[in-house]
Amino acid sequence: EFVLTQSPVTLSLSPGERASLSCRASQSVDRRFLAWYQQKPGQAPTLLFYGGSTRAPGIPDRFSGSGSGTDFTLTISGLEPEDFAVYFCQYYGASTSPFTFGPGTKVNI
Amino acid sequence: QEQLVHSGAEVKRPGASVKVSCKASGYSFSGYFMHWVRQAPGQGLEWMGWINPTNGGTTYAQKFQGRVTMTRDTSIGTAFMELNSLTFDDTAVYYCARSYTNYAWYDLWGQGSLVTVAS
Repeated sequence: EFVLTQSPVTLSLSPGERASLSCRASQSVDRRFLAWYQQKPGQAPTLLFYGGSTRAPGIPDRFSGSGSGTDFTLTISGLEPEDFAVYFCQYYGASTSPFTFGPGTKVNI
Repeated sequence: QEQLVHSGAEVKRPGASVKVSCKASGYSFSGYFMHWVRQAPGQGLEWMGWINPTNGGTTYAQKFQGRVTMTRDTSIGTAFMELNSLTFDDTAVYYCARSYTNYAWYDLWGQGSLVTVAS
């Protein structure tokens, strides 16, 4: 079974600090099919990145996505108050478990 | 303004069915696939399936096959998701989300419909 694992579960940081969020796949995946989403309390998720590292329209450049194979990283350089949220990675490629989401990382103040 | 607007919250008994709608506006409804994703309280995101609004073709997650039906009405730009034989574990927010093709990222999400299964 294909699984995405995210770590840490919770990240407690202060505004201005750098956040590094990990998404690990149980088998190697094509980075073109890896997305990141942000979800704030009571809201729907919003797209941050697709294709592993392509920023969605309107996403500030303090956000960056990287990685390949089984290891992917979302980095937020200089946290802003509005960045405290839950972040999910997703693999949207064709597989036996399509559109798998990771369990999420909560970035706390 | 492109948006997806869901129907309102529902409360259902175990064993009942629920039908959630998602109305698209501000873009060509038939130009994008529509996916359904659910999120149980305090939990992660779970993909349920997609519908191709152009021809009504569907693909469902194995977990929901036989219990979910996704349809659309192109005349009103609306997608529907019906889930049968509800159990307490189906209590969740149900989201529609669009993608430009079947295997692609979701660039627009609805606000979600809360479905509560309670006796």
